[in-house]
Amino acid sequence: SAVISQKPSRDICQRGTSLTIQCQVDSQVTMMFWYRQQPGQSLTLIATANQGSEATYESGFVIDKFPISRPNLTFSTLTVSNLSPEDSSIYLCSALLGPSSYNSPLHFGNGTRLTVT
Amino acid sequence: GQQLNQSPQSMFIQEGEDVSMNCTSSSIFNTWLWYKQDPGEGPVLLIALYKAGELTSNGRLTAQFGITRKDSFLNISASIPSDVGIYFCAGQLRYGGATNKLIFGTGTLLAVQP
Repeated sequence: SAVISQKPSRDICQRGTSLTIQCQVDSQVTMMFWYRQQPGQSLTLIATANQGSEATYESGFVIDKFPISRPNLTFSTLTVSNLSPEDSSIYLCSALLGPSSYNSPLHFGNGTRLTVT
Repeated sequence: GQQLNQSPQSMFIQEGEDVSMNCTSSSIFNTWLWYKQDPGEGPVLLIALYKAGELTSNGRLTAQFGITRKDSFLNISASIPSDVGIYFCAGQLRYGGATNKLIFGTGTLLAVQP
């Protein structure tokens, strides 16, 4: 089955800096999704990244804070900008993987654990 | 963001017991998914359900897509210590054939006493 690789797996960053997270899927996928999981919480969708178009952001998330790139069908990056301690979370990349674009479930990478000091 | 109501929040059980958890929503979904998350890892898909009323098993796990399309349950039979983790339900919406927007439940923490 296809694999989703994320890096870095964890990082500690200083307030005011930025972190770029990379996500690689070993098969071509149309849509990739970025989620945030705050400590002890469930997963919240940040944005949907389609190749060849701008990402679609969910309510409460903006492009200036979470710029996303999707240069091809197997790769995406999420940048968390101007970091503050409230950004300390796990950030998860995901993609629909399966034989059918209609019934392909969402699979996740192992996440990036970000701590902002 | 929007979340599904998942219960119970946590369960502490003895090895060998059966477990049941469920998820409810005020909205209709056309796909229900159940995931397990171990510490330091991303969620791993356990079962995917695509039709109302569908009952699907994966080993000791059984999940059902509620007939109203607003709920789902997951059962684990004869629990073992490695079942420990956080279980999330997720409802998925599809618009015009494009698959999108997975909404997650609040999670159920399962602890299994050997």
